[in-house]
Amino acid sequence: QKEVEQDPGPLSVPEGAIVSLNCTYSNSAFQYFMWYRQYSRKGPELLMYTYSSGNKEDGRFTAQVDKSSKYISLFIRDSQPSDSATYLCAMSETGANNLFFGTGTRLTVIP
Amino acid sequence: DGGITQSPKYLFRKEGQNVTLSCEQNLNHDAMYWYRQDPGQGLRLIYYSQIVNDFQKGDIAEGYSVSREKKESFPLTVTSAQKNPTAFYLCASTPQRNSNQPQHFGDGTRLSIL
Repeated sequence: QKEVEQDPGPLSVPEGAIVSLNCTYSNSAFQYFMWYRQYSRKGPELLMYTYSSGNKEDGRFTAQVDKSSKYISLFIRDSQPSDSATYLCAMSETGANNLFFGTGTRLTVIP
Repeated sequence: DGGITQSPKYLFRKEGQNVTLSCEQNLNHDAMYWYRQDPGQGLRLIYYSQIVNDFQKGDIAEGYSVSREKKESFPLTVTSAQKNPTAFYLCASTPQRNSNQPQHFGDGTRLSIL
């Protein structure tokens, strides 16, 4: 079993839809959770960074962490064609820089 | 403009050849990382360095080598021992070792076999 599981998609939604992206994990020691966005032929860029359980909102993006269920989510409101990319979840233990990544979900927002 | 610069963007390797991928950062970050990205497999850690003149193997270090002689530079050599080198290679960095700060990435080098 992989430490981090992420549905690879692909996921296609119409412009303006709410998108929900999810990851599950098995290591209860993970405390730091990240979402990265990766455009084709580019490196991942950090979207959201959260610690432990709870919600964090930044513009159209909301990250949720449920440590009791070992489940994290990224919601995108009012999705735009420019949101079309691969979204990677990542997580780490306290006191460690090494990240564990999901395989990524490819999202296409159709105008 | 601070960031991580990877070069070249595209690289081709002949059979039996070693090739070196460059990674330079001007963020004054202590820790640097090399990942390999293959379709459907996510990012896999090759090597990482928490400080100058020190580096550690990641999950898939076989067939690769690194050096960290300067804080801003962390080159990766793909040796002829790596039998399946075709992949997208990503370099990343964080400000301090073991600080749980998120990693920042370069724009990658795509390596292919001739």
